[in-house]
Amino acid sequence: NAGVTQTPKFQVLKTGQSMTLQCAQDMNHNSMYWYRQDPGMGLRLIYYSASEGTTDKGEVPNGYNVSRLNKREFSLRLESAAPSQTSVYFCASSPIQGGSYEQYFGPGTRLTVT
Amino acid sequence: QQQVKQSPQSLIVQKGGISIINCAYENTAFDYFPWYQQFPGKGPALLIAIRPDVSEKKEGRFTISFNKSAKQFSLHIMDSQPGDSATYFCAASSGDSNYQLIWGAGTKLIIKP
Repeated sequence: NAGVTQTPKFQVLKTGQSMTLQCAQDMNHNSMYWYRQDPGMGLRLIYYSASEGTTDKGEVPNGYNVSRLNKREFSLRLESAAPSQTSVYFCASSPIQGGSYEQYFGPGTRLTVT
Repeated sequence: QQQVKQSPQSLIVQKGGISIINCAYENTAFDYFPWYQQFPGKGPALLIAIRPDVSEKKEGRFTISFNKSAKQFSLHIMDSQPGDSATYFCAASSGDSNYQLIWGAGTKLIIKP
């Protein structure tokens, strides 16, 4: 069991470039999440997918798009990167059923936009 | 009303001491209160969680105390060890939001040997 995997681990982009962050989980979880983490601000939800085929905006969705490709995979796309998107991005998954609400996190992607 | 306020931002405790981190919330619909632990370079991981039908939950050296009337909950780490040095996040959620977590801002805990 790999749990939640994210690629890449590090990325440097120039302003205006685009990229996709990949996330996959092998725990058969229904729900998946994308967060960004900035110093002193905790974790902020960008987008989430409650189940395969659905996606919804979180607290800070502007500048991002997501795709729930199948039950395992949930990708985050930056269409035109801006320096304000420099952050650490975490993907998480959760069963959200049977009374289990724990979120399992990937190792993160450190993104710098210059 | 969706906020979870966490304090302190940072905390230094001597080895063997008690570390206490506090959180407060406003939304009375919250019914699940987890604490997550994050080590540098890693994603957060669930440490312990509580439901509002109990006032305390203990797992080893970690205890959550919950005060429903005050809308506050806290994490106590007994006999704190250098390996406990990490950032701790409280969070809250409810069934009517599909258990999306509302996160506190985090507390950086340093245990001095």
